[in-house]
Amino acid sequence: AQSVTQPDIHITVSEGASLELRCNYSYGATPYLFWYVQSPGQGLQLLLKYFSGDTLVQGIKGFEAEFKRSQSSFNLRKPSVHWSDAAEYFCAVGPTSGGYNKLIFGAGTRLAVHP
Amino acid sequence: KAGVTQTPRYLIKTRGQQVTLSCSPISGHRSVSWYQQTPGQGLQFLFEYFSETQRNKGNFPGRFSGRQFSNSRSEMNVSTLELGDSALYLCASRREGADTQYFGPGTRLTVL
Repeated sequence: AQSVTQPDIHITVSEGASLELRCNYSYGATPYLFWYVQSPGQGLQLLLKYFSGDTLVQGIKGFEAEFKRSQSSFNLRKPSVHWSDAAEYFCAVGPTSGGYNKLIFGAGTRLAVHP
Repeated sequence: KAGVTQTPRYLIKTRGQQVTLSCSPISGHRSVSWYQQTPGQGLQFLFEYFSETQRNKGNFPGRFSGRQFSNSRSEMNVSTLELGDSALYLCASRREGADTQYFGPGTRLTVL
């Protein structure tokens, strides 16, 4: 079955600390992979995406993610967290042929940032 | 360029009623998808419309339906509302051939 697992429901970090949010997926083939961020009361904003090629992808707001096929993982990282990064983060997978819209999302990781 | 807009932003209905939500995609985007977000089930794909035709569908009962107009605007309808339909309903649009969806702010539906 296709699924996305985000093992950490809540994460708290201090401002300036590094961050890694975990994402593991189960999919029949290599999927398209996405990270979205959702601030309270807002929709989803795309942080970055991976389709093929270089397994380390750069996104907006200083985020990056690394695709590891052997581990079926697509972890999100940021070297230094800012207070404005407090939000909920969603990992998602989608098919590589058509159906780009039919994304499967993880349960999300809520990030809190201490000053 | 204006983003995806959804109206209304908030709705309160009672059980048994029906509701219609509206989504205006980004100009030039002809694909519109709907998602339901709840604390218990997370984000789930409802359906996708392209050129006024439903192209993909998630695992939701027939009470959930949608349509798309010639200008790509889309509406989603839920009939015979249940308490469990309380959720944030997100709309996303995409340019055909592109790989990225852009989400609107959502409509918060509360069913009493």
